Amino acid sequence: DTGVSQDPRHKITKRGQNVTFRCDPISEHNRLYWYRQTLGQGPEFLTYFQNEAQLEKSRLLSDRFSAERPKGSFSTLEIQRTEQGDSAMYLCASSLGTDRGYTFGSGTRLTVV
Amino acid sequence: QKEVEQNSGPLSVPEGAIASLNCTYSDRGSQSFFWYRQYSGKSPELIMFIYSNGDKEDGRFTAQLNKASQYVSLLIRDSQPSDSATYLCAVPTGGFKTIFGAGTRLFVKA
Repeated sequence: DTGVSQDPRHKITKRGQNVTFRCDPISEHNRLYWYRQTLGQGPEFLTYFQNEAQLEKSRLLSDRFSAERPKGSFSTLEIQRTEQGDSAMYLCASSLGTDRGYTFGSGTRLTVV
Repeated sequence: QKEVEQNSGPLSVPEGAIASLNCTYSDRGSQSFFWYRQYSGKSPELIMFIYSNGDKEDGRFTAQLNKASQYVSLLIRDSQPSDSATYLCAVPTGGFKTIFGAGTRLFVKA
């Protein structure tokens, strides 16, 4: 197993465009998380999947953000009508349980210009 | 609002010294506590976790937990320049998410 994979590693987009990121978790992990991290801050929770079910979503997440995990395997995070404030590192993590810690992917760095 | 607080640093220690990183948390019901290391431009990596009051040692790392004081710390013995990174304290909530502190930047001088 090669760990958690994220694609793309970097994305530069113009304001107003839609972007989609992909995450492939560790195959044995049924829990998948999306976090966002800006410079000088810790990761901020966005959403959580257990298998294919999205069980928790941050109240900070606007309607422009949507995430899916079809068939409980890979996950996608889509941001519609991007804004400059969306510029951040988007981190995907997978886990066997909340008390087991996370394995993070390498992240997708989004720059909105 | 559940919070995890860390001194942002930078904490600068000479090579071979003990680095002490501290974290406080607001949710008295928290049961597990994690430390992640994050090198510049990289993603966080889990290095330690602790569930019970007291100390837990793993190699050069020791995690210390005091639930009564809502305080968790990470000691790094024989600090090396390769330990220079940001250390994130993380505390799972009663739900499904984990709250991360903003991290403490550690710089180990050769």
